[in-house]
Amino acid sequence: DAGVTQSPTHLIKTRGQQVTLRCSPKSGHDTVSWYQQALGQGPQFIFQYYEEEERQRGNFPDRFSGHQFPNYSSELNVNALLLGDSALYLCASSLGHQETQYFGPGTRLLVL
Amino acid sequence: AQSVSQHNHHVILSEAASLELGCNYSYGGTVNLFWYVQYPGQHLQLLLKYFSGDPLVKGIKGFEAEFIKSKFSFNLRKPSVQWSDTAEYFCAVNAQGGNKLVFGAGTILRVKS
Repeated sequence: DAGVTQSPTHLIKTRGQQVTLRCSPKSGHDTVSWYQQALGQGPQFIFQYYEEEERQRGNFPDRFSGHQFPNYSSELNVNALLLGDSALYLCASSLGHQETQYFGPGTRLLVL
Repeated sequence: AQSVSQHNHHVILSEAASLELGCNYSYGGTVNLFWYVQYPGQHLQLLLKYFSGDPLVKGIKGFEAEFIKSKFSFNLRKPSVQWSDTAEYFCAVNAQGGNKLVFGAGTILRVKS
């Protein structure tokens, strides 16, 4: 049973660039949530996708956007990268948008 | 807005010692509660969860947590820790009917062998 997978594992970008992170949910799951985890902090909710729509959004600017595909996989896009966007980006999947979330290994983004 | 507070950022214990990690949340409505664990080099894993029913929930690897509604608490316990319990532990909450998990800042547990 494949768990949540994310790609790439690590990424280095420079300020002002754009980045796309990818997530495949656990088999049988239809909902994907994205979180940002800065060093020394707990994950912070960015947004959740269910039925290919953004269902809820956390306190993140519009530079953060996403998409969910018909196969339930998802992308997180961040435009105009800032140094402060350096963090571990976690994807979590669930069966239904109110159920237990299972996390992937994350993508570590470094913005220089 | 919901928030989660974890009382200790670092805890150091010897093997066989008892563990209790505190977690308090602020939210007036009905909540679902979770403890996640992140072992060194691994991703976040679900340790246990509470949705409803018996407020004492048991999870994997001998962990348990007790939901005390009047205290807005969901403390994690283990009677006897092992070196392999060294990890970072996160308490999280979501409002029932809500979508997002709100996490505490985490507690780093180091167990000395």
